[in-house]
Amino acid sequence: DQQVKQNSPSLSVQEGRISILNCDYTNSMFDYFLWYKKYPAEGPTFLISISSIKDKNEDGRFTVFLNKSAKHLSLHIVPSQPGDSAVYFCAAPSYNQGGKLIFGQGTELSVKP
Amino acid sequence: DVKVTQSSRYLVKRTGEKVFLECVQDMDHENMFWYRQDPGLGLRLIYFSYDVKMKEKGDIPEGYSVSREKKERFSLILESASTNQTSMYLCASSRITGTGTYTEAFFGQGTRLTVV
Repeated sequence: DQQVKQNSPSLSVQEGRISILNCDYTNSMFDYFLWYKKYPAEGPTFLISISSIKDKNEDGRFTVFLNKSAKHLSLHIVPSQPGDSAVYFCAAPSYNQGGKLIFGQGTELSVKP
Repeated sequence: DVKVTQSSRYLVKRTGEKVFLECVQDMDHENMFWYRQDPGLGLRLIYFSYDVKMKEKGDIPEGYSVSREKKERFSLILESASTNQTSMYLCASSRITGTGTYTEAFFGQGTRLTVV
């Protein structure tokens, strides 16, 4: 049972344009979401998060939007840069299990010069 | 600067060997986790620990065990390595959380394990 889903395994975007990565979840108890970025042969690094009391959180070029009624969140990267090429994971913590993170399958973003 | 360190970046082991993956964190975090990453499957939780000598099974614990004798160290053990355990293994740590509060998990650099 995949509680956090990223249905697009890959995304290709031109440098300077907007990248939009999507994530859906099924558990209405989730109230906090995180995005991680992962380069090959490295561990994931935290990128940005959002609490369910908000519908938007912005940090520089990165903005996360949350639509609770649709159980959907998205990460926008504007403008996209070649260094943004990586795998992006969305995740939600499960509070009744030590705060373990439940991850989506990941979306591989390729930003072309 | 916070740090989670995994003992090896790359490992090659033979089928049937007992394999130890070590992870150390310097943030005094209560929670520690072991995940594996496989293409198309995301990160799947193998085991986690919320205190010394405490452990809980994750989603895919079969074929693995863990040990947490000290707060800063969490070891993953493959009792008898098999080829389907070839994967990227990721250790993470985080502060303990209660309902409505959360801090992000910090990950190590990963261990790419190949079982031949």
